[in-house]
Amino acid sequence: GQQVMQIPQYQHVQEGEDFTTYCNSSTTLSNIQWYKQRPGGHPVFLIQLVKSGEVKKQKRLTFQFGEAKKNSSLHITATQTTDVGTYFCAQNQGAQKLVFGQGTRLTINP
Amino acid sequence: EPEVTQTPSHQVTQMGQEVILRCVPISNHLYFYWYRQILGQKVEFLVSFYNNEISEKSEIFDDQFSVERPDGSNFTLKIRSTKLEDSAMYFCASSTDRENEKLFFGSGTQLSVL
Repeated sequence: GQQVMQIPQYQHVQEGEDFTTYCNSSTTLSNIQWYKQRPGGHPVFLIQLVKSGEVKKQKRLTFQFGEAKKNSSLHITATQTTDVGTYFCAQNQGAQKLVFGQGTRLTINP
Repeated sequence: EPEVTQTPSHQVTQMGQEVILRCVPISNHLYFYWYRQILGQKVEFLVSFYNNEISEKSEIFDDQFSVERPDGSNFTLKIRSTKLEDSAMYFCASSTDRENEKLFFGSGTQLSVL
């Protein structure tokens, strides 16, 4: 099936620094979802983007969907230790088949 | 807030044995899923289930795997003859009756095959 490539695989930042993870697809996406998984936890839904060029914000998190709907990004401003975890983008490949990217593991130095 | 519950949280089994992982999806959800995650790796889709039948399945979901909704609340994943490489965290998830909806995940069952 189609692959959504997510980069970087790992990111280590100092607390207070910004963080960005990117998802890229070779095909046009109908929508994209983002999930966060805390260490030892389960994926938790963050947001869904549907429209071309869409930008959504949740406090310090900013989500973007590319104009061509082939890429997406998640940006965290001024990271805090509570942001630690793995961030996954996910795309629908079929109505009931949500496929996850490889994830970006974020670690933070307090 | 309603949540997906999974039991057991940990399961240890011998290679070749059958295991059944259990899930109780959120009560008004109609779509159910199983995913697995090998330690440190990505969350892999196994199967989706709607209206008492499989909607989609991945190439991982071979004849050794089966799913069932035995009653109005439980959703199970059976692995008939476990292999070492089946060791992983297995997550159940559910979603509402609309397509492309967000998934709610359970806390997972850590399966260890010895």
